[in-house]
Amino acid sequence: EVQLVESGGGLVQPGGSLRLSCAVSGFTFSDHYMDWVRQAPGKGLEWVGRTRNKANSYTTEYAASVKGRFTISRDDSKNSLYLQMNSLKTEDTAVYYCARATSGWPPVIDSWGQGTLVTVSS
Amino acid sequence: DIQMTQSPSSLSASVGDRVTITCRASQDISNYLAWFQQKPGKAPKSLIYDASNLHSGVPSKFSGSGSGTDFSLTISSLQPEDFATYYCQQYKSYSLTFGGGTKVEIK
Repeated sequence: EVQLVESGGGLVQPGGSLRLSCAVSGFTFSDHYMDWVRQAPGKGLEWVGRTRNKANSYTTEYAASVKGRFTISRDDSKNSLYLQMNSLKTEDTAVYYCARATSGWPPVIDSWGQGTLVTVSS
Repeated sequence: DIQMTQSPSSLSASVGDRVTITCRASQDISNYLAWFQQKPGKAPKSLIYDASNLHSGVPSKFSGSGSGTDFSLTISSLQPEDFATYYCQQYKSYSLTFGGGTKVEIK
C-alpha cells in the first residue's frame, strides 16, 4: 500500500524557516517524481514544486511564488522527501501536501499524503 | 504560466443528477489534464489523468473528456459520497497549475 506521511509543520514567525518531511512507503521511491502542493485556509490547491527522479538527475521546478525561498530535496536511501522553507511570509500559511507522480510519462499525481499545517504568524 | 479556469465555482445538485464541470486552459495543453476530488478536511484524491483515463479504483460514474483548451468532468449519477470540491490541473508545462475548484453541494 502506498503511504505518504508528512511531518514538521507548526507555528513560525514571519521571516523564519521550517523544514517539512514526507516519509513514503509501499513503492520504489527512487523511480518517482515527487511534488509539494499547498492549500491556504479556505482556498484552492496551489502547486509548490517538484523533484524529478534519479534517472532525471533529481532536478527541481518551483512555483514563482516560492522560487528562491523554498528548496525541495530527497533522500532515496531514507525514502524521504523534504521541503526547506526560508524567509516565510504570512501568505505561506497553508496545509502542505506531498504527492507522488506516476513513474511513466508524463508523470501525473496519483497519491497524496494527509498534509501538515504550517502557520506563519507573529 | 498556464491559467486554468473552472466553471461553475459551485453548484447545487440532487442525488441521482448528472453533473458536468468544465475547465478551460489559457493555451493548448493537448490532453495533459487531471481531475482531483477533495472532501472537507481531507487530502485530495486523484480521479482522472490524460483528460479521460480513470486512476485505478475510481468508479466508472466519473468520466472526463476534452483536449486542447476545453475539458469537462462528468458524474453520471450523483451519490452522497460525491459531494465535494473538484479541481482540474494541467501538466503540459513544467509549472503545474490548478483550477480554482468547483464545489458540488447538496440541493
